[in-house]
Amino acid sequence: QKEVEQNSGPLSVPEGAIASLNCTYSDRVSQSFFWYRQYSGKSPELIMSIYSNGDKEDGRFTAQLNKASQYVSLLIRDSQPSDSATYLCAVKVGAAGNMLTFGGGTRLMVKP
Amino acid sequence: DAGVIQSPRHEVTEMGQEVTLRCKPISGHNSLFWYRQTMMRGLELLIYFNNNVPIDDSGMPEDRFSAKMPNASFSTLKIQPSEPRDSAVYFCASSLVQGRGEAFFGQGTRLTVV
Repeated sequence: QKEVEQNSGPLSVPEGAIASLNCTYSDRVSQSFFWYRQYSGKSPELIMSIYSNGDKEDGRFTAQLNKASQYVSLLIRDSQPSDSATYLCAVKVGAAGNMLTFGGGTRLMVKP
Repeated sequence: DAGVIQSPRHEVTEMGQEVTLRCKPISGHNSLFWYRQTMMRGLELLIYFNNNVPIDDSGMPEDRFSAKMPNASFSTLKIQPSEPRDSAVYFCASSLVQGRGEAFFGQGTRLTVV
């Protein structure tokens, strides 16, 4: 079993809709969770971080964390074609150290 | 502020040649990571350093790969000899050891071994 799992997609949503991206992880002591956006041919860009249970909102993005169920999600409201990219979930594994483990990414397509 | 700087951006080399990739982390960051990304395997951690010391190199595929960090502002990843299966995008990222884990990536080096 992979440590961080994501559905590879593609996830296709119409412009203006809510896109919901999900990620599960296996290490119960993980404490830091991140979402990166990667456009084709570009490097991963950090867009959200979350450290405690609940929701964290930043503009059109909301990250949700449920440590009991070991999942983290990213909601994108009012999706735009420019949101079309691959979204990578990353988890800081273990209580010590700062190494991140990445999921395989979910490709999001927002159709005009 | 300058981000993570990698060079070269693109490298095309012949099988058997030595390849050296370079990385300058964000000033003040003391953790440095080398990742490799392919369509088949996604983003894989090769090695990371804390305070210039290699901490985990279990992701280095084989002895042909080596990495060094001679000082806080420079790291290299060397492949000798290179093989076609090494073709991938290699990313360098940096963060703070004492931080919560946020890592910032360089632009990457696209390596093609023919």
